[in-house]
Amino acid sequence: SQTIHQWPATLVQPVGSPLSLECTVEGTSNPNLYWYRQAAGRGLQLLFYSVGIGQISSEVPQNLSASRPQDRQFILSSKKLLLSDSGFYLCAWMGGSYNSPLHFGNGTRLTVT
Amino acid sequence: GENVEQHPSTLSVQEGDSAVIKCTYSDSASNYFPWYKQELGKGPQLIIDIRSNVGEKKDQRIAVTLNKTAKHFSLHITETQPEDSAVYFCAASGSNYQLIWGAGTKLIIKP
Repeated sequence: SQTIHQWPATLVQPVGSPLSLECTVEGTSNPNLYWYRQAAGRGLQLLFYSVGIGQISSEVPQNLSASRPQDRQFILSSKKLLLSDSGFYLCAWMGGSYNSPLHFGNGTRLTVT
Repeated sequence: GENVEQHPSTLSVQEGDSAVIKCTYSDSASNYFPWYKQELGKGPQLIIDIRSNVGEKKDQRIAVTLNKTAKHFSLHITETQPEDSAVYFCAASGSNYQLIWGAGTKLIIKP
């Protein structure tokens, strides 16, 4: 069966520090991968998605970036965090066909201080 | 642009009663409509989905109905229980393997 791993679960970082969040998927090949952010009590904002290695589409211009160095690995990064980067970050995967379910990881709670 | 409207934003029902959450989508090309349940501090979990060639789908106490003509779909939860308390999100398929999300409904089950 397929599983998605996301870490760390919680993170407290000072303003101006770098960020690296990692997500890996097991049990499937060539998944579509997604990074979402969720502010407290709010909806889901798509940040990045990838349909293949090295292919990244950005939905929201900001100081975050994403990379997909391997088929089932998706990384979210920042060189210098802002206070506004605080939130709940969710990685998700979808099978390669249209109308496939989206499966989420358990998220990373990021607090920028 | 593509959007999904979800109502109500908060729904409070007595335990044992039914709950209904409604969504309206704008893109007539959408043909896949999932519903997710998000518990506090966790990622959203798929609870039921429906494709455009089906008008209704049921899974135990949960059902989803789809009206393609009117571009709306609804989640029905019967015999609500305390563990149904959560935030529920609807979504509609968009372009480029993306989902267009509703804003969420906080469901509160009163004992």
